Amino acid sequence: KQEVTQIPAALSVPEGENLVLNCSFTDSAIYNLQWFRQDPGKGLTSLLLIQSSQREQTSGRLNASLDKSSGRSTLYIAASQPGDSATYLCAVRRLDSGGSNYKLTFGKGTLLTVNP
Amino acid sequence: GAGVSQTPSNKVTEKGKYVELRCDPISGHTALYWYRQSLGQGPEFLIYFQGTGAADDSGLPNDRFFAVRPEGSVSTLKIQRTERGDSAVYLCASSFVAGELFFGEGSRLTVL
Repeated sequence: KQEVTQIPAALSVPEGENLVLNCSFTDSAIYNLQWFRQDPGKGLTSLLLIQSSQREQTSGRLNASLDKSSGRSTLYIAASQPGDSATYLCAVRRLDSGGSNYKLTFGKGTLLTVNP
Repeated sequence: GAGVSQTPSNKVTEKGKYVELRCDPISGHTALYWYRQSLGQGPEFLIYFQGTGAADDSGLPNDRFFAVRPEGSVSTLKIQRTERGDSAVYLCASSFVAGELFFGEGSRLTVL
């Protein structure tokens, strides 16, 4: 059974800092990995999707890396801003033996607070 | 609409009542997912549809929970004889097959 762990559970940084959020997963046979952002009381917003054949994806100040063999992904946020404050969730998609199950398994998230 | 739409956004009900939650996916997305999220937790998988059929319902907690997607678009999650432990945010997402998931804002269910 796939398990996804996110460290740290919470992180508080001053504005302008670069930071890294970590995600690890127990089964490396993944199809892709997706990072989401969730604001309080809201749904999930997709940030980056990394296919299993890729090493990283970039969008603006965000960079996500994937090391499938070691079961790890990181989300790097450059020059953090107070508006980046939210919960960041990592989710991995694994194919079952029949190749037809595209279920995502989520971590519990990292609560990020960027202080002005 | 452009995004995934979920109704109602909030539902308060009494223990033992029947509840329906609706999800309207992004047009053209064949895959539809239901997840449940409790406070401080990541979303927990409930059921996945590919087209009209439930390809994986292994996450439904018991037989009080049921979901349908009769025409391969809108889906309804049905909960019978609600219990206080069913209180959570129910999230719906859609995608192309194995593609990027897009989530709705969720339906917050409170069972008194």
